[in-house]
Amino acid sequence: AQSVTQLGSHVSVSEGALVLLRCNYSSSVPPYLFWYVQYPNQGLQLLLKYTTGATLVKGINGFEAEFKKSETSFHLTKPSAHMSDAAEYFCAVSLNQAGTALIFGKGTTLSVSS
Amino acid sequence: KAGVTQTPRYLIKTRGQQVTLSCSPISGHRSVSWYQQTPGQGLQFLFEYFSETQRNKGNFPGRFSGRQFSNSRSEMNVSTLELGDSALYLCASSLEGAGGQYGYTFGSGTRLTVV
Repeated sequence: AQSVTQLGSHVSVSEGALVLLRCNYSSSVPPYLFWYVQYPNQGLQLLLKYTTGATLVKGINGFEAEFKKSETSFHLTKPSAHMSDAAEYFCAVSLNQAGTALIFGKGTTLSVSS
Repeated sequence: KAGVTQTPRYLIKTRGQQVTLSCSPISGHRSVSWYQQTPGQGLQFLFEYFSETQRNKGNFPGRFSGRQFSNSRSEMNVSTLELGDSALYLCASSLEGAGGQYGYTFGSGTRLTVV
């Protein structure tokens, strides 16, 4: 069965510091991988997605993620954190090759201090 | 353009009652999926509809059901509510049912509280 593991339920960084949120997946087939962000009392917003092709994926708000098949990882990074990045981040993998029926990780709450 | 609209935003129901939640996808999106979000279980996939047909279903009891109309609007129904059904229910839509290619756009959710 497919699953997603996000290491660290809470990550704290200083403004301007590197953001690294970790995601590992288990999948028997090449997956579709996603990162979503959720702000309080709101739905999820798509940050970026990996389908096929280039393994380094650039998303919105300066975020990027690298698909590493050998490590079954899809870590999310941002070179310089901003206060507005404080939110909960979810990694997700699709249950099928159409990219639907997502399995989500438990989420990582990012705190940014000044 | 308008996003995914979910109504109502908040709902309080009593155990044993039933509830219907509504989702209007982005115009042109024919795929609608539903997710349940709770502090304990996180985000869990309920079901997905495309062109009025259920394509995928998560591991939820039969009390949870849904449907999609010809205009792509979707409803989900929960019968015989239990306290554990208290959650944020999120609806997401995608272009042409290809969530992997285009990603999903989520609504703000319906917060259901069962008392």
